[in-house]
Amino acid sequence: DIQMTQSPSSLSASVGDRVTITCRASQSISSYLNWYQQKPGKAPKLLIYAASSLQSGVPSRFSGSGSGTDFTLTISSLQPEDFATYYCQQSYSTPPYIFGQGTKLEIK
Amino acid sequence: EVQLVESGGGLVQPGGSLRLSCAGSGFTFSSYWMSWVRQAPGKGLEWVANIKQDGSEKYYVDSVKGRFTISRDNAKKSLYLQMNSLRAEDTAVYYCARDGGRGVIVVFDYWGQGTLVTVSS
Repeated sequence: DIQMTQSPSSLSASVGDRVTITCRASQSISSYLNWYQQKPGKAPKLLIYAASSLQSGVPSRFSGSGSGTDFTLTISSLQPEDFATYYCQQSYSTPPYIFGQGTKLEIK
Repeated sequence: EVQLVESGGGLVQPGGSLRLSCAGSGFTFSSYWMSWVRQAPGKGLEWVANIKQDGSEKYYVDSVKGRFTISRDNAKKSLYLQMNSLRAEDTAVYYCARDGGRGVIVVFDYWGQGTLVTVSS
């Protein structure tokens, strides 16, 4: 199975900061990479699909890039509502559709 | 508005069974692959199983193969997960999720609110 590794596991940042989260696949997954945001007690929310496509309704401060094995999620200017846990997910080839272990973004 | 509503969770003893349901509304349920994704307390997300639009293809994560069965009833716009031989490590919130069909890429674009399954004696 393809494994996904996110870094960092946790991150402290301030409102207005630019933040980057990295996701690395154990083998090439082309652009078959999605990003989700999850707040405590809530279901995950799709942010980015196919590595760089912004889901409808998601603020433009979120962006994604990468292909092959290395991907990034960038938040250009952190807002108070962005403090949450972020997961990458690969959907290359057949299941299982593995998620990264998550990155918890906390307020500094 | 797309909605997914899970039900059927609860407390069950190890070795027991439980059937989860997910009711879809606000979209053409029969046109989408559907999945179950779970999250153990304080842990990350784990994809569990998915099923094709007509039920002809089903896939499972290795840890539940032979114990869990995914199914659907398109007339009732419902997704199911039959869980047998439950173990403590199956304790989690179970979400149903729609595969939004972005071409060939699997994208979970809508999720239910989740239902908690606790396996304990």
